Amino acid sequence: EPEVTQTPSHQVTQMGQEVILRCVPISNHLYFYWYRQILGQKVEFLVSFYNNEISEKSEIFDDQFSVERPDGSNFTLKIRSTKLEDSAMYFCASTEGQNTEAFFGQGTRLTVV
Amino acid sequence: DQQVKQNSPSLSVQEGRISILNCDYTNSMFDYFLWYKKYPAEGPTFLISISSIKDKNEDGRFTVFLNKSAKHLSLHIVPSQPGDSAVYFCAAADQAGTALIFGKGTTLSVSS
Repeated sequence: EPEVTQTPSHQVTQMGQEVILRCVPISNHLYFYWYRQILGQKVEFLVSFYNNEISEKSEIFDDQFSVERPDGSNFTLKIRSTKLEDSAMYFCASTEGQNTEAFFGQGTRLTVV
Repeated sequence: DQQVKQNSPSLSVQEGRISILNCDYTNSMFDYFLWYKKYPAEGPTFLISISSIKDKNEDGRFTVFLNKSAKHLSLHIVPSQPGDSAVYFCAAADQAGTALIFGKGTTLSVSS
């Protein structure tokens, strides 16, 4: 069964450092998303991406964040200068079209120290 | 602002009984609703969905009911099994259909 894969599974980084979280969405999907879940809190939408551009972003997705689809398979989330409060599980998801179910990756646990 | 609310953080049910998980929403533009199940250290897994043109959708042991006038949906699991123990998230999307908005989740524990 096709799946969304994310690497790394766990990333520890020092405050102020840049991190790149990587995702390989399902190959025939067209819409890509990043979500995050801070420990004990709800899953929060960060950004959606379609046709090589951001289609929607939340208030959380400020100038420290960027997304890119550098080639035909990868979808990345970059945090330029990490803060302690960026520590969370980051989930990548993809959908085939609008209003279809999203498939999630296993997540990357980001720990900022 | 919580557009999707799951007011019960936890629910305990005996094996074989019905589990009913509830979800309320405030945005009348939402027209597509989904339930996801999440185990620890894994990403959310899609369970079942319903569009606003329906009021019920069934898939095996799982049934989702939608009451548009009350802006309420519920997930019924019958019969509940210990393997159903997980966190269940309600999610909704609006007519533009780009982003899912999640509730905070309900932890279901099914005891044998």
